Amino acid sequence: QKEVEQDPGPLSVPEGAIVSLNCTYSNSAFQYFMWYRQYSRKGPELLMYTYSSGNKEDGRFTAQVDKSSKYISLFIRDSQPSDSATYLCAMSLDTGRRALTFGSGTRLQVQP
Amino acid sequence: GAVVSQHPSWVICKSGTSVKIECRSLDFQATTMFWYRQFPKQSLMLMATSNEGSKATYEQGVEKDKFLINHASLTLSTLTVTSAHPEDSSFYICSAQRGHRGEKLFFGSGTQLSVL
Repeated sequence: QKEVEQDPGPLSVPEGAIVSLNCTYSNSAFQYFMWYRQYSRKGPELLMYTYSSGNKEDGRFTAQVDKSSKYISLFIRDSQPSDSATYLCAMSLDTGRRALTFGSGTRLQVQP
Repeated sequence: GAVVSQHPSWVICKSGTSVKIECRSLDFQATTMFWYRQFPKQSLMLMATSNEGSKATYEQGVEKDKFLINHASLTLSTLTVTSAHPEDSSFYICSAQRGHRGEKLFFGSGTQLSVL
C-alpha cells in the first residue's frame, strides 16, 4: 500500500464548476499537508499549505485536512481552463526530516 | 516568490555518458535541497536530501555512486548521473528549502533526461 493515495484521473469538468480533489494517507504522523499544481514538464508550484487539521481558504482554493480520517481535500471554485494541470498532494512529518511524500497526482481538465 | 533555477531543462545523451544537472536558489540561501525523479504519469519520488557542506542522504534503492550529489554552497546543488543508461531516462526535479518550515520549499522547473 502506498503511503499516499490519489486518484490519477483525468477529471474533466466544465468551466465554472467546483472541483474536488482528494488524497488519503496511511501514516498518522504526517503533520504538514500541501497541494501543488504541476503543468506538463514543469516543476510543482505550491498552492496551499496546511498544518494539522482544519480548513484554509485562499481565493478560489480551499484546503481541508481531516486527520482523524487521514483524508485531505482541495476545492477549486469557479474553475477556469487555466486550472487544467496535474494536482499533487504532499505531506511531511513533524520531525527534522523535511522531505515531502507526494501523491501520484490527479490530472484536471477544465473545458471552456 | 522565491526562484529556483534548474539547468538544463532537457538533455539527450548517449548511453554511458555522464550528465550534470544544476539547481540554484537565486534569491535565498537554501538550507537543504532535495532531488526527485518523476516517471510519466507517476508521482515525484525522492532520491536524496542534500545539506550544504555535508554528504547527501540517499533514499533506499538509489545508487549513490550513480547519482552523485554535490552541495558546495547554500545556493547551488548539482546532480550528476554517471554512466547513464536508457532506464535512467526520467524527469529530474530539484527543490530548495528556505528556512526550517515545510512550506518554504520551492521547486526548479525540472530536467528531462533522455538516454539513447
